[in-house]
Formats: sequence, structure tokens, C-alpha cells
Amino acid sequence: DIQMTQSPSSLSASVGDRVTITCRASQSISGYLNWYQQKPGKAPNLLIHSASSLQSGVPARFSGSGSGTDFTLTISSLQPEDFATYYCHQSYTTPITFGQGTRLEIK
Amino acid sequence: QVQLQQSGPGLVKPSQTLSLTCAISGDSVSSNSAAWNWIRQSPSRGLEWLGRTYYRSKWYNDYALSVKSRITINPDTSKNQFSLQLNSVTPEDTAVYYCAGSVDTEFDYWGQGTLVTVSS
Repeated sequence: DIQMTQSPSSLSASVGDRVTITCRASQSISGYLNWYQQKPGKAPNLLIHSASSLQSGVPARFSGSGSGTDFTLTISSLQPEDFATYYCHQSYTTPITFGQGTRLEIK
Repeated sequence: QVQLQQSGPGLVKPSQTLSLTCAISGDSVSSNSAAWNWIRQSPSRGLEWLGRTYYRSKWYNDYALSVKSRITINPDTSKNQFSLQLNSVTPEDTAVYYCAGSVDTEFDYWGQGTLVTVSS
């Protein structure tokens, strides 16, 4: 199985901050990397697909980059509604696997 | 707009079968470009993909090795839905279960989630 490792596991930041979350795959997954946001009691919501493509309706302050094994999700200027947990997900091969999550908290 | 609506019991006894259904609106379970997945989430295991069904001129299934001996995912074309059956459950199968649809490779659509507790 491809292991997905996110860092950090948790992060405290303030409104207006620029935040970067990283995701590393245990082997190359080309660009088959997706990012989701999850709020308590809700299903994950797709933010970025194919490493860097912004999902329709997602604010432009979210961006993704990377290929191969190393990927990043960047939020350019944190808004109050962005405090949530973020997951990366590889769709390169089965079994499909997820990172363990990064909890973004208000400082 | 594709919507997924889950149904099924929230409490299952140990050794019995967990059964959930996911009704699709706005797309077809028989779509030649979509795949229909089950994913679960628990504090101990995080997000865990369980398996999928999809149609590409014939039906295919893929399952996670961790549950392969116990899982069945079936499409129901007459009701435009798909189902999850997980046999011989234990308390370790307690989780929030989600159905999800993928048009390309990412999970574009999610059901609302069902908390399933395995307890006597």
C-alpha cells in the first residue's frame, strides 16, 4: 500500500496568515493527489484535485502543488471558515489511501 | 448536481452483517465514467477506503485487503443505488461510514455519513 504522510499533524494560525500543509507519498504517485477539507460532523469536501486543480466553487486562496512524492496545500490568507481538518488522498492506485490529517486551529 | 443519500442501521451486533445503501441522484450507478465507493472513518484508523463498484461495459469491484474476505459492494440499477455489506463485524468496525462518487479519480461527491456502532 502507498503510505501518505502529512505534516504537521496540527497547526495553530491566525486569520490572515499564510499556511502550508505538506503530504508525502511512500512512492511516486505522479499527480494523482487530492486535498479535502473536513469540518466536525460533516463529510470531507474536495478542494484540490490532480495536485493543483482547484475544484469548482472553492475560493482561490486555496492552491496545491507538487508531483511524484511531495505535495503541498497552501492557504494564502486564512479566513475564519478555514479552521478545519485537511486530508490528502492518493488516487494513483488501489488501495486508495489517505493521509492522517492536519488539524488547523485558531491561534 | 449529484447527491448521495445513505440509509441503514446505526447499531449492529458483533458477528452480524453491517448493511448500508447509498441512493444516487443526478448521475447513474451504471455510468461509464464514475465509480461508487465506500469509505469509513474512525479515530483509530482515520479515513479508510473500503472498496468500489463501477461499470465499464461490465461490472467491476475493487476491495481493500483489510476487509476483502468480509465485504461485498453491489450496484442496484433498478433503484440507482449501491450497497455495502460487511460480514462478521467486531467492535473495531465501529466508524462513520461514507459513500462517495468519483467521476475521474478524486471523490467529488459524498453521502452524509452514517455512524455505525458494533455493540451487543
